[in-house]
This record gives sequence, C-alpha cells and structure tokens, in this order.
Amino acid sequence: ETGVTQTPRHLVMGMTNKKSLKCEQHLGHNAMYWYKQSAKKPLELMFVYSLEERVENNSVPSRFSPECPNSSHLFLHLHTLQPEDSALYLCASSQDQLPYNEQFFGPGTRLTVL
Amino acid sequence: DQQVKQNSPSLSVQEGRISILNCDYTNSMFDYFLWYKKYPAEGPTFLISISSIKDKNEDGRFTVFLNKSAKHLSLHIVPSQPGDSAVYFCAASANNFNKFYFGSGTKLNVKP
Repeated sequence: ETGVTQTPRHLVMGMTNKKSLKCEQHLGHNAMYWYKQSAKKPLELMFVYSLEERVENNSVPSRFSPECPNSSHLFLHLHTLQPEDSALYLCASSQDQLPYNEQFFGPGTRLTVL
Repeated sequence: DQQVKQNSPSLSVQEGRISILNCDYTNSMFDYFLWYKKYPAEGPTFLISISSIKDKNEDGRFTVFLNKSAKHLSLHIVPSQPGDSAVYFCAASANNFNKFYFGSGTKLNVKP
C-alpha cells in the first residue's frame, strides 16, 4: 500500500449505531487530519494530530471521537450520529503540522446516516 | 464565515482552450495558497502552490496567479485536456494559522 488509505470506502449506518473509520498513512508523516466534506461546501477541518497528540478540535460534536494510536494510524469513532452528518470524510497526512507543508489525502469514506 | 471562496461551482471548457478557475479570500494574513484537484472516488491531490512573495507560479500547463491587492488568485490550465475534468479546490494558510482554509470547489468539465 502507498500513500493514504481509508476504510471503509462507503458506510451506511443508523442513528443508534456505533462505527469507526480507519485511516492509515504509509508516507512516514507525523501529522494526521480528519476533514468533513459536505456537498457544495468547503472542506471542514475536524481534528488535527501531531506526533500522536491532538492539537486541534474544531468545535466538533462529541458524537465524533478521534483516536491516534501511532503516527501511521488514525481512527474516527462514530456514535449516535444525525442524518446531517452524512458526508465524505477525508483523512490527510503531512510531514509536520506546518501551514506550508502539502497534505496528502486519502480517498475518503462516504458516510450515509439514515 | 468562509474565508476562501470559489464563486463558480462549475465551469465547462472546450478541449485545447484555456480554463480559468478563480478563488477569492478575505483574510489579508494569508501568505500561502494551494490548488488541489479531486477526481470522483479519490482524495484531493496537490496541484500547484504560490507564496505571497510571488505573483505567478508556473508548472507545465498549470499557472497560478496571485493578486494580493484584490485578494484573488486564479488557476490557468492551457491547453485544457479531457483528463483535467475534476473538482478544483483552492486553499490558503499563513505561518501562524497551522491549518488550511479551503474553498468549496469548482467542477471543471473539459469537453472533447
């Protein structure tokens, strides 16, 4: 595997379900990000991890819970989501959490909440 | 409040012609700008960047222009090819921001 991978690619869940999104980067980067992309809206930064520590949480509801067990893996745990949470969830990584470093994105998980 | 705006959700261009994608920003602190390209079912990939110390950066068929006084940047693709059909996002950042602000994207369709 190369680059940034995300699983699953598609997920349909009910509002009472608990599920997790997984991201893995094979680039040796030390910063990882979760973004949400809703239709016709800008990418919204949700969480930033640098050296496995959460450094940013952009006012994301607690029904989204990130986890970064090591510098290569990032999870987004989901529970009691709402239909408006349906979106494309993108993971990205970069070498250091610096504004001038290019971020490499995974293909995303298309989430539908029923 | 959206600090980076792409006001054209879509653009259609004939193959061989120039594609011009526009992006406006509101924060004068931004000093680094990027364009990303996204195909369906794939994540965005980096295309080209420009620092505020320049007003133009060129890479092959892709050129980004920055007009700091107007807080405007544009991406020119010439000649456009059908494989350029994708969604293009602009993004901006600054040294003390530690994150990128993205526009909502412009979907480019290059017709053969």
